Amino acid sequence: EDQVTQSPEALRLQEGESSSLNCSYTVSGLRGLFWYRQDPGKGPEFLFTLYSAGEEKEKERLKATLTKKESFLHITAPKPEDSATYLCAVHGSSNTGKLIFGQGTTLQVKP
Amino acid sequence: DGGITQSPKYLFRKEGQNVTLSCEQNLNHDAMYWYRQDPGQGLRLIYYSQIVNDFQKGDIAEGYSVSREKKESFPLTVTSAQKNPTAFYLCASSLGQREKLFFGSGTQLSVL
Repeated sequence: EDQVTQSPEALRLQEGESSSLNCSYTVSGLRGLFWYRQDPGKGPEFLFTLYSAGEEKEKERLKATLTKKESFLHITAPKPEDSATYLCAVHGSSNTGKLIFGQGTTLQVKP
Repeated sequence: DGGITQSPKYLFRKEGQNVTLSCEQNLNHDAMYWYRQDPGQGLRLIYYSQIVNDFQKGDIAEGYSVSREKKESFPLTVTSAQKNPTAFYLCASSLGQREKLFFGSGTQLSVL
């Protein structure tokens, strides 16, 4: 069964303290791994798509990487406005039309 | 600006009542989806549609119904058969299968 697990569930950082969020996945035939950011009471906002092991993508203070078993979202020198829940999701070859989501990591960055 | 509009933002349901959540998109996307989000849980797929007049059940379709009569619209009805409807409901669309999803701003449904 396709599965996505994110860790930690919650993360508190001081402003400027870099860290990483983990997304472990089990899927038959990865067709894409997606990262989203979600603010409280709002819909998720797309960040990155990764398709193959070794691929990396960057946007401002965020960098997403992908291996055959997991993805990391690295946050460099975070600011309070980076506080949000970060969601990971995968498309596999066996789940046509379905994106499987992890439970998310809630990040709080204190000034 | 193109996007997905969900309404209402907040909705209250009485016992035994059916309620309908609206979702409209002007992105010209073929695929549309409904997800349910509960605190501390990942998004769970209720229904999805890849083309007008066709839709498929997701993982938790019981107690819900949908229609796709127009490309732009994908309303979700929460029926009285759904015994635990309190959740945050998210509508999304994508250009095609396995493409990135664009989400609406969500509807919070609560039971009176």
